[in-house]
Amino acid sequence: NAGVTQTPKFQVLKTGQSMTLQCAQDMNHEYMSWYRQDPGMGLRLIHYSVGAGITDQGEVPNGYNVSRSTTEDFPLRLLSAAPSQTSVYFCASSYSFSVGRNSPLHFGNGTRLTVT
Amino acid sequence: GQQVMQIPQYQHVQEGEDFTTYCNSSTTLSNIQWYKQRPGGHPVFLIQLVKSGEVKKQKRLTFQFGEAKKNSSLHITATQTTDVGTYFCAGQTSGTYKYIFGTGTRLKVLA
Repeated sequence: NAGVTQTPKFQVLKTGQSMTLQCAQDMNHEYMSWYRQDPGMGLRLIHYSVGAGITDQGEVPNGYNVSRSTTEDFPLRLLSAAPSQTSVYFCASSYSFSVGRNSPLHFGNGTRLTVT
Repeated sequence: GQQVMQIPQYQHVQEGEDFTTYCNSSTTLSNIQWYKQRPGGHPVFLIQLVKSGEVKKQKRLTFQFGEAKKNSSLHITATQTTDVGTYFCAGQTSGTYKYIFGTGTRLKVLA
């Protein structure tokens, strides 16, 4: 049981390049989300999905796209990388997400992205 | 939009001293979760609070949810070096499918 798997672990991009950060979970979790973590700013929600075929924007969605074609996978696409997107990116999933009591978020190990 | 602030941002304590971090939301929360992130690691779930005024304990850790469900605290009694890390609260507002994380409190414990 691998949990939440993120690839790659490290990535360096040049400004303007595009790339996809991969996230996969094998726990049959309905809810998946992407966060970015910057010093002094905590974790900020980029996009989230409550099930296959359904995605929505978080706090900081600009410059990022997501899709959820399967329950297991939730890739994050950077369309045209900018230095402001240098950050650590975490994917997190949860078994159920409803108003009120929820299951815990399970985080992947993160992807450290540098844009030069 | 919803904002969640945590204070203090940093805390250095001597081993054996107590530690408290406070979490304040700009909006009423339906529930709040707490996470711990070790240096170089990823956030790991600690606990969830749902009811107004709720208090939960895990060994040396005590979690409280405010009566108005807009604030929460985590208190660690007699800190140990294993408590080192950053503690985050994450709040959900009723009717949304988002957890908004606080800015985190980074704890250092000096042996």
